[in-house]
Amino acid sequence: GAVVSQHPSWVICKSGTSVKIECRSLDFQATTMFWYRQFPKQSLMLMATSNEGSKATYEQGVEKDKFLINHASLTLSTLTVTSAHPEDSSFYICSAVQADSPLHFGNGTRLTVT
Amino acid sequence: QQQVKQSPQSLIVQKGGISIINCAYENTAFDYFPWYQQFPGKGPALLIAIRPDVSEKKEGRFTISFNKSAKQFSLHIMDSQPGDSATYFCAASGYTGNQFYFGTGTSLTVIP
Repeated sequence: GAVVSQHPSWVICKSGTSVKIECRSLDFQATTMFWYRQFPKQSLMLMATSNEGSKATYEQGVEKDKFLINHASLTLSTLTVTSAHPEDSSFYICSAVQADSPLHFGNGTRLTVT
Repeated sequence: QQQVKQSPQSLIVQKGGISIINCAYENTAFDYFPWYQQFPGKGPALLIAIRPDVSEKKEGRFTISFNKSAKQFSLHIMDSQPGDSATYFCAASGYTGNQFYFGTGTSLTVIP
């Protein structure tokens, strides 16, 4: 089945630094990738939708200058959390989809900002 | 506005019992309804999905029942096992590749 690889699986960083999370579709070309944030025991909160070669579409309330998304190719999207603060600590999950195919998720990245 | 409403929020079932999770939607343009299973610290995994041209789809112990007129669909887990303990999300989409709308999730606990 389709595999979406997300890296790193966990990261600890100091306040004020930036962190980059990668999302790769391993065996298919993803026309669209989504980035979610999930708080403990809560649902998935869509942050942004990205299509290859175009700017990401951010959901209302998500700071695009803080959460930089780059969808450089049909198999790679990156989320960079800039100037991270403790309140950015969360579980970030990407997903990828190809036309007429199911949506598949990465295994998530646990970000802890100290 | 919540596009997909899911209930219950949590569910406790005895081993061997049937777990039932319900979802409802309003947008009649939705035509793809997947269910995802998520274990702690992991991303959601596609469990089973249905399109509105059928009323039921079964894969092993997992069955989706779909009621187009009522705009409702449900996940049934037969012979529930402790290993099924996880959070389950229903979702809906207009067409694959477009926006996906997720329910709020159901935490299932299967007790031995």
